[in-house]
Amino acid sequence: GAVVSQHPSRVICKSGTSVKIECRSLDFQATTMFWYRQFPKKSLMLMATSNEGSKATYEQGVEKDKFLINHASLTLSTLTVTSAHPEDSSFYICSARLAGVLTQYFGPGTRLTVL
Amino acid sequence: AQSVTQLGSHVSVSEGALVLLRCNYSSSVPPYLFWYVQYPNQGLQLLLKYTTGATLVKGINGFEAEFKKSETSFHLTKPSAHMSDAAEYFCAVSETGANNLFFGTGTRLTVIP
Repeated sequence: GAVVSQHPSRVICKSGTSVKIECRSLDFQATTMFWYRQFPKKSLMLMATSNEGSKATYEQGVEKDKFLINHASLTLSTLTVTSAHPEDSSFYICSARLAGVLTQYFGPGTRLTVL
Repeated sequence: AQSVTQLGSHVSVSEGALVLLRCNYSSSVPPYLFWYVQYPNQGLQLLLKYTTGATLVKGINGFEAEFKKSETSFHLTKPSAHMSDAAEYFCAVSETGANNLFFGTGTRLTVIP
């Protein structure tokens, strides 16, 4: 149980285009989903927290107009990187959590490369 | 403010030897502490967590960790390393009741046959 999937696993795009990454909780309803960014040889950095049906809460320094997060249902959250640039290239990981449960369950990550 | 320090970005042990991965944290309130493992091209899997109660926590795959408040540490150990333990390990802290997890920079464990 508690499986989280991400799609796509890898994406390569041209500079200036937008990319959408999906995060799904496959066997549970996730009231809260989190988006992290992982740099090479660095830890995961929390980008934003989203609760189903409400606006995401972004961490300091994360541009909300660049990283659009939608959590329209209890099993799906999306991260859209708008007008992507090479510096947005990174490994993006989502996690999901049940209401009242502390543990976060992580997806397998999405490797974004912007040319 | 919370932070996590993992000493040693790389640790190598022989198969069958003791595994010790170090984690120190800072938190202004009683913390919740976690260890996650990440295998190549996979997401993070929870190994174990400490919230309250017994300070020695047992997790999956034979791992355990001990919360030592006086040392602000939560080191991860396993008595005997297996080849399958080779992975990246992350320590994380969350302040009581808070949503956010703050991760350390990770320790890559290599197991030598």
